Amino acid sequence: DAGVIQSPRHEVTEMGQEVTLRCKLISGHNSLFWYRQTMMRGLELLIYFNNNVPIDDSGMPEDRFSAKMPNASFSTLKIQPSEPRDSAVYFCASRGTVNEKLFFGSGTQLSVL
Amino acid sequence: GENVEQHPSTLSVQEGDSAVIKCTYSDSASNYFPWYKQELGKRPQLIIDIRSNVGEKKDQRIAVTLNKTAKHFSLHITETQPEDSAVYFCAASKGTGGFKTIFGAGTRLFVKA
Repeated sequence: DAGVIQSPRHEVTEMGQEVTLRCKLISGHNSLFWYRQTMMRGLELLIYFNNNVPIDDSGMPEDRFSAKMPNASFSTLKIQPSEPRDSAVYFCASRGTVNEKLFFGSGTQLSVL
Repeated sequence: GENVEQHPSTLSVQEGDSAVIKCTYSDSASNYFPWYKQELGKRPQLIIDIRSNVGEKKDQRIAVTLNKTAKHFSLHITETQPEDSAVYFCAASKGTGGFKTIFGAGTRLFVKA
Protein backbone atom coordinates (compact mmCIF):
# COMPACT_ATOMS: atom_id res chain seq x y z
CA ASP A 1 0.00 0.00 0.00
CA ALA A 2 1.32 3.46 -0.89
CA GLY A 3 0.02 4.97 2.33
CA VAL A 4 -2.07 8.11 2.62
CA ILE A 5 -1.62 10.19 -0.52
CA GLN A 6 -2.09 13.94 -0.55
CA SER A 7 -1.99 16.34 -3.45
CA PRO A 8 -0.69 18.80 -4.27
CA ARG A 9 2.51 18.81 -2.17
CA HIS A 10 2.82 22.56 -2.57
CA GLU A 11 0.24 25.17 -3.51
CA VAL A 12 0.89 28.87 -4.01
CA THR A 13 -2.13 31.00 -4.75
CA GLU A 14 -3.36 34.54 -4.51
CA MET A 15 -5.77 35.83 -1.94
CA GLY A 16 -9.36 35.29 -3.00
CA GLN A 17 -8.69 32.21 -5.09
CA GLU A 18 -10.27 28.83 -4.43
CA VAL A 19 -7.97 26.10 -3.14
CA THR A 20 -8.74 22.38 -3.17
CA LEU A 21 -6.62 19.90 -1.26
CA ARG A 22 -6.98 16.19 -1.91
CA CYS A 23 -6.44 13.08 0.14
CA LYS A 24 -6.61 9.36 -0.63
CA LEU A 25 -7.02 7.05 2.35
CA ILE A 26 -5.20 3.80 2.90
CA SER A 27 -7.26 0.95 1.48
CA GLY A 28 -9.56 -0.48 4.14
CA HIS A 29 -9.37 2.52 6.44
CA ASN A 30 -12.67 4.14 7.36
CA SER A 31 -11.75 7.24 9.39
CA LEU A 32 -10.29 10.38 7.85
CA PHE A 33 -8.88 13.40 9.66
CA TRP A 34 -7.85 16.83 8.35
CA TYR A 35 -5.28 18.71 10.44
CA ARG A 36 -3.71 22.12 9.95
CA GLN A 37 -0.18 22.75 11.25
CA THR A 38 1.26 26.16 12.03
CA MET A 39 4.04 27.29 14.33
CA MET A 40 1.57 29.18 16.50
CA ARG A 41 -1.18 26.56 16.83
CA GLY A 42 0.58 23.24 16.31
CA LEU A 43 -1.57 20.41 14.89
CA GLU A 44 -5.18 21.59 14.87
CA LEU A 45 -7.94 19.12 14.05
CA LEU A 46 -10.21 20.74 11.48
CA ILE A 47 -12.72 17.96 10.75
CA TYR A 48 -12.95 14.19 10.80
CA PHE A 49 -15.11 11.59 9.11
CA ASN A 50 -16.07 8.06 10.01
CA ASN A 51 -17.56 5.82 7.31
CA ASN A 52 -17.85 8.86 5.00
CA VAL A 53 -19.93 10.80 7.55
CA PRO A 54 -18.59 14.02 9.09
CA ILE A 55 -18.47 13.45 12.85
CA ASP A 56 -17.07 16.73 14.15
CA ASP A 57 -16.35 19.87 12.15
CA SER A 58 -16.01 22.19 15.13
CA GLY A 59 -12.39 22.84 14.23
CA MET A 60 -13.19 24.29 10.82
CA PRO A 61 -12.22 27.93 11.21
CA GLU A 62 -14.87 29.60 9.07
CA ASP A 63 -17.50 29.03 6.44
CA ARG A 64 -14.77 29.51 3.88
CA PHE A 65 -13.60 26.00 4.72
CA SER A 66 -15.49 22.90 3.61
CA ALA A 67 -14.62 19.21 3.41
CA LYS A 68 -16.23 16.26 1.70
CA MET A 69 -15.84 12.52 1.30
CA PRO A 70 -17.45 11.69 -2.05
CA ASN A 71 -16.49 8.04 -1.55
CA ALA A 72 -14.90 5.77 1.03
CA SER A 73 -11.34 6.33 -0.15
CA PHE A 74 -11.13 10.00 -1.06
CA SER A 75 -11.59 13.39 0.58
CA THR A 76 -11.23 17.04 -0.37
CA LEU A 77 -10.71 20.15 1.73
CA LYS A 78 -11.73 23.35 0.00
CA ILE A 79 -11.00 26.94 0.96
CA GLN A 80 -13.01 29.59 -0.86
CA PRO A 81 -12.00 32.38 -0.86
CA SER A 82 -8.48 31.84 0.46
CA GLU A 83 -6.74 34.38 2.69
CA PRO A 84 -3.07 34.86 3.66
CA ARG A 85 -3.79 33.62 7.20
CA ASP A 86 -4.77 30.25 5.73
CA SER A 87 -1.10 29.66 4.88
CA ALA A 88 -0.05 26.47 6.68
CA VAL A 89 0.72 22.80 6.15
CA TYR A 90 -2.45 20.75 5.83
CA PHE A 91 -2.24 17.07 6.71
CA CYS A 92 -4.79 14.37 6.26
CA ALA A 93 -4.56 11.13 8.22
CA SER A 94 -6.48 7.90 8.02
CA ARG A 95 -7.25 5.17 10.55
CA GLY A 96 -8.58 1.64 10.33
CA THR A 97 -11.28 -0.11 12.27
CA VAL A 98 -9.14 -2.22 14.58
CA ASN A 99 -6.08 -0.15 15.48
CA GLU A 100 -6.19 3.44 16.78
CA LYS A 101 -2.97 4.36 14.95
CA LEU A 102 -3.16 7.36 12.60
CA PHE A 103 -1.27 7.32 9.32
CA PHE A 104 -0.42 10.74 7.97
CA GLY A 105 -0.05 11.88 4.40
CA SER A 106 2.93 13.96 3.28
CA GLY A 107 1.00 17.19 3.76
CA THR A 108 0.20 20.12 1.48
CA GLN A 109 2.22 23.29 2.03
CA LEU A 110 -0.23 26.10 1.24
CA SER A 111 0.94 29.66 0.69
CA VAL A 112 -1.68 32.34 0.08
CA LEU A 113 -0.13 35.58 -1.14
CA GLY B 1 -13.64 20.31 25.91
CA GLU B 2 -11.01 17.66 25.35
CA ASN B 3 -7.50 18.96 25.71
CA VAL B 4 -3.92 17.67 25.76
CA GLU B 5 -1.22 19.83 27.29
CA GLN B 6 2.44 19.15 26.55
CA HIS B 7 5.64 20.41 28.23
CA PRO B 8 8.21 21.64 27.62
CA SER B 9 7.79 23.38 24.28
CA THR B 10 11.54 23.26 23.67
CA LEU B 11 14.13 20.91 25.11
CA SER B 12 17.85 20.95 24.53
CA VAL B 13 20.07 18.08 25.75
CA GLN B 14 23.61 16.92 25.27
CA GLU B 15 24.17 13.79 23.21
CA GLY B 16 24.00 10.77 25.49
CA ASP B 17 21.77 12.42 28.08
CA SER B 18 18.11 11.53 28.64
CA ALA B 19 15.12 13.58 27.51
CA VAL B 20 11.68 13.57 29.12
CA ILE B 21 8.52 15.08 27.67
CA LYS B 22 5.32 15.25 29.71
CA CYS B 23 1.66 15.44 28.77
CA THR B 24 -1.63 15.70 30.59
CA TYR B 25 -5.07 14.98 29.20
CA SER B 26 -8.48 16.20 30.29
CA ASP B 27 -10.89 13.44 29.22
CA SER B 28 -10.73 10.54 31.67
CA ALA B 29 -12.35 8.29 29.04
CA SER B 30 -9.23 8.51 26.84
CA ASN B 31 -7.64 5.09 26.55
CA TYR B 32 -5.01 5.33 23.82
CA PHE B 33 -1.92 7.54 23.98
CA PRO B 34 0.41 7.66 20.96
CA TRP B 35 3.62 9.61 20.49
CA TYR B 36 4.61 10.97 17.08
CA LYS B 37 7.97 12.23 15.84
CA GLN B 38 8.09 14.84 13.11
CA GLU B 39 11.36 15.62 11.40
CA LEU B 40 11.76 18.89 9.55
CA GLY B 41 9.62 18.97 6.43
CA LYS B 42 8.26 15.49 7.00
CA ARG B 43 4.99 13.98 8.18
CA PRO B 44 4.38 12.98 11.83
CA GLN B 45 5.17 9.30 12.35
CA LEU B 46 4.20 7.08 15.24
CA ILE B 47 7.15 6.02 17.39
CA ILE B 48 5.43 4.39 20.35
CA ASP B 49 1.99 4.15 21.91
CA ILE B 50 0.42 2.95 25.15
CA ARG B 51 -3.07 1.87 26.12
CA SER B 52 -4.79 2.57 29.39
CA ASN B 53 -4.50 -0.99 30.66
CA VAL B 54 -0.70 -0.69 30.74
CA GLY B 55 1.43 1.52 32.96
CA GLU B 56 4.68 1.44 31.03
CA LYS B 57 5.99 0.36 27.65
CA LYS B 58 9.52 0.30 26.33
CA ASP B 59 11.04 -0.01 22.86
CA GLN B 60 14.84 0.14 22.81
CA ARG B 61 15.81 3.69 23.83
CA ILE B 62 12.30 5.05 24.16
CA ALA B 63 9.72 4.38 26.85
CA VAL B 64 6.33 5.73 27.79
CA THR B 65 4.71 5.81 31.21
CA LEU B 66 1.05 6.40 32.00
CA ASN B 67 -0.58 7.51 35.25
CA LYS B 68 -4.33 7.19 34.71
CA THR B 69 -5.22 8.60 38.11
CA ALA B 70 -3.32 11.81 37.49
CA LYS B 71 -4.08 11.77 33.75
CA HIS B 72 -0.38 12.14 32.97
CA PHE B 73 1.79 10.35 30.43
CA SER B 74 5.42 10.84 29.56
CA LEU B 75 7.96 9.99 26.87
CA HIS B 76 11.49 9.07 27.93
CA ILE B 77 14.38 8.92 25.48
CA THR B 78 17.65 7.56 26.84
CA GLU B 79 21.14 7.87 25.34
CA THR B 80 19.97 10.58 23.00
CA GLN B 81 21.58 10.93 19.58
CA PRO B 82 21.63 13.86 17.12
CA GLU B 83 19.11 12.02 14.92
CA ASP B 84 16.60 12.20 17.77
CA SER B 85 16.37 15.94 17.11
CA ALA B 86 12.80 16.57 15.92
CA VAL B 87 9.40 17.74 17.11
CA TYR B 88 7.57 15.24 19.30
CA PHE B 89 3.80 15.23 19.72
CA CYS B 90 1.77 13.41 22.33
CA ALA B 91 -1.88 12.63 21.66
CA ALA B 92 -4.94 11.08 23.27
CA SER B 93 -7.88 9.19 21.86
CA LYS B 94 -10.86 7.18 23.04
CA GLY B 95 -10.51 4.55 20.36
CA THR B 96 -11.46 3.88 16.76
CA GLY B 97 -14.79 4.54 15.06
CA GLY B 98 -16.23 7.95 15.76
CA PHE B 99 -13.50 9.09 18.15
CA LYS B 100 -10.94 11.76 17.37
CA THR B 101 -7.26 12.02 18.21
CA ILE B 102 -6.24 15.23 19.96
CA PHE B 103 -2.60 16.33 19.83
CA GLY B 104 -0.47 18.28 22.25
CA ALA B 105 1.31 21.42 21.06
CA GLY B 106 4.59 19.62 20.43
CA THR B 107 8.09 19.65 21.92
CA ARG B 108 11.04 20.67 19.82
CA LEU B 109 13.98 18.50 20.93
CA PHE B 110 17.54 19.51 20.13
CA VAL B 111 20.30 16.99 20.78
CA LYS B 112 23.71 18.65 20.76
CA ALA B 113 26.65 16.59 19.58
